[in-house]
Amino acid sequence: AQSVTQLDSQVPVFEEAPVELRCNYSSSVSVYLFWYVQYPNQGLQLLLKYLSGSTLVKGINGFEAEFNKSQTSFHLRKPSVHISDTAEYFCAGFSGGYNKLIFGAGTRLAVHP
Amino acid sequence: EAQVTQNPRYLITVTGKKLTVTCSQNMNHEYMSWYRQDPGLGLRQIYYSMNVEVTDKGDVPEGYKVSRKEKRNFPLILESPSPNQTSLYFCASSSSLPLRGTEAFFGQGTRLTVV
Repeated sequence: AQSVTQLDSQVPVFEEAPVELRCNYSSSVSVYLFWYVQYPNQGLQLLLKYLSGSTLVKGINGFEAEFNKSQTSFHLRKPSVHISDTAEYFCAGFSGGYNKLIFGAGTRLAVHP
Repeated sequence: EAQVTQNPRYLITVTGKKLTVTCSQNMNHEYMSWYRQDPGLGLRQIYYSMNVEVTDKGDVPEGYKVSRKEKRNFPLILESPSPNQTSLYFCASSSSLPLRGTEAFFGQGTRLTVV
């Protein structure tokens, strides 16, 4: 089955602490992988994407993600979070056979002062 | 400004009353799609369109219709809404299939409640 799994539904963290949001994908999902962020009452915005090449991908707002083929993972990290990073984060992969993005269930990041 | 515009943002309706949610993009994108977002389920694709007059079903098409008569518009039609269609809906567009790694641009969302 094609799937993208986000291992944590909620991640609470204090401001300026590091954070990792975990994402695993099934081998039937292509290795075109994306992280999107959804701020309250807004649509989704692309944070970063992996298509090929370097396994460490840098995105906007200081986020980065590492593609790990052997572990079929694409975890999102930030070394020091801000209150403004409070949002829901979605991992997604492209399903070539079905012409669509497959989204994970989302991880709600709550940054506390 | 490049954007995807959905209307309305919020809608409360009664069971069985036909409604249309509009979506328009100003980026000349070929690929457009509709998703619904439900807690714990992420986003699931309802329908997509690869170009004018070309549409196809996504994961959860039952109870929905779409049309693509013009490149910029991709309305979502609920002929007879039911309470299980209460959800947050997003329209998205991209210049080509996500296969090519192109970014999908999302609208602000439409929160639909069917009572």
